[in-house]
This record gives sequence, structure tokens and C-alpha cells, in this order.
Amino acid sequence: GAVVSQHPSWVICKSGTSVKIECRSLDFQATTMFWYRQFPKQSLMLMATSNEGSKATYEQGVEKDKFLINHASLTLSTLTVTSAHPEDSSFYICSAREMGMNTEAFFGQGTRLTVV
Amino acid sequence: GEDVEQSLFLSVREGDSSVINCTYTDSSSTYLYWYKQEPGAGLQLLTYIFSNMDMKQDQRLTVLLNKKDKHLSLRIADTQTGDSAIYFCAEGSSGNTPLVFGKGTRLSVIA
Repeated sequence: GAVVSQHPSWVICKSGTSVKIECRSLDFQATTMFWYRQFPKQSLMLMATSNEGSKATYEQGVEKDKFLINHASLTLSTLTVTSAHPEDSSFYICSAREMGMNTEAFFGQGTRLTVV
Repeated sequence: GEDVEQSLFLSVREGDSSVINCTYTDSSSTYLYWYKQEPGAGLQLLTYIFSNMDMKQDQRLTVLLNKKDKHLSLRIADTQTGDSAIYFCAEGSSGNTPLVFGKGTRLSVIA
């Protein structure tokens, strides 16, 4: 089946620094990718929809200047957490659906971000 | 907006069947999905069902869909300890829109 690769799996960074998370669709093209955040023992919260070649669409309450999303190609979207704070510590997951297909969403392995 | 509801916890004995229920509100949903999440991992697609079907079976998994009542269930036969995880129900329509997830049901299997 289709694979979405997310990197890194985990990262620890200092407060005030920025962290970039990559999401790649390995064997299919995705014009749209989705970024989720998951707090411990909670469901996935959609942060933004990443559109190839255009600006991301952010959900209400998500700071676009804080969480920068770039979808430069049909197989790569990146999420940069800027000026990270301890409250940004969370599990971030990306997903993608194959372009033009109404099928399942494939998920990356997730990135555990810890800001110290 | 769309909403997906599911019970938060389920505890079963090893070897018994587990039934996880889900309700959704979007009548235009095309596909309904079940994902499994183990601790510290991403989501793994277990199975999905097209909205014009009412049942799908895949080895130990049986999905039942009642479109009239917008009710979806996942039955796991002969539940094993390795089935302990969080199970998310999700619904989706077009390929450019995100899936809408329930809050997840934490399945605990007691040996």
C-alpha cells in the first residue's frame, strides 16, 4: 500500500529554536496533505491543510506564523514550529490522500516534539 | 459541521469478541474508516467500507454500516492482547478534504 514517511520520529529542542518536520508520500502524488496534532490520550486535532504550490489553510485557533507549512512538491510537505515553547510539545502527525482518488488517508509515523 | 462520536473505553477478555461503535453525522460521507494507533505510533489503516455497502469482512475484522442510522461498528473476533490500542473511526468524502475523526476508543484486552 501507499506509504507516507515522516521525519524525524522524535526531536528535542530548546525553547526559542525552530524545528522542521518533513512529510513525504513515497509512492504516490498528493496535492493535499494534512497536519494533525495529538495531545496525550486525545484524538487528532487538524491543524492545517497543506496545498501544493499554494498557501496552507489553517484551522481556527492555529497560528500560521507559529506553524509554517510549505508544500513545495507533490510528494513533500514540511511543518516548521517556529520559536518553540514547552507548550508546543506534542505528537505531530501528517497524512496524505492520493491525488484525485477518493480513498483512505495514509499517515506518517508521527513526530514526538519535546521542547525543553 | 461534521461530527464523529465513539465510546472512549472498552475492556474485553482475551479470546472474546470486541465491538467498537461509532456514529457520524455527515450523510455525504463516501468512505468510513477504522484506524488503529498503538502507543507512540502513527495511525494504521485497519479497514474501510464504502458507503453503499453494509458489511465488510476481513479476517478477524467485521465492519457493519447502518447508513440510515449513520452507525458504524468494528467487530474484532478472538481478541488478542496485541489488539490493545486506540481505535479511531473516521469519515471522508472528496480526496482533497481531511478525514473527520472520532476521539478514539481505547481497547484493553485482559489476559
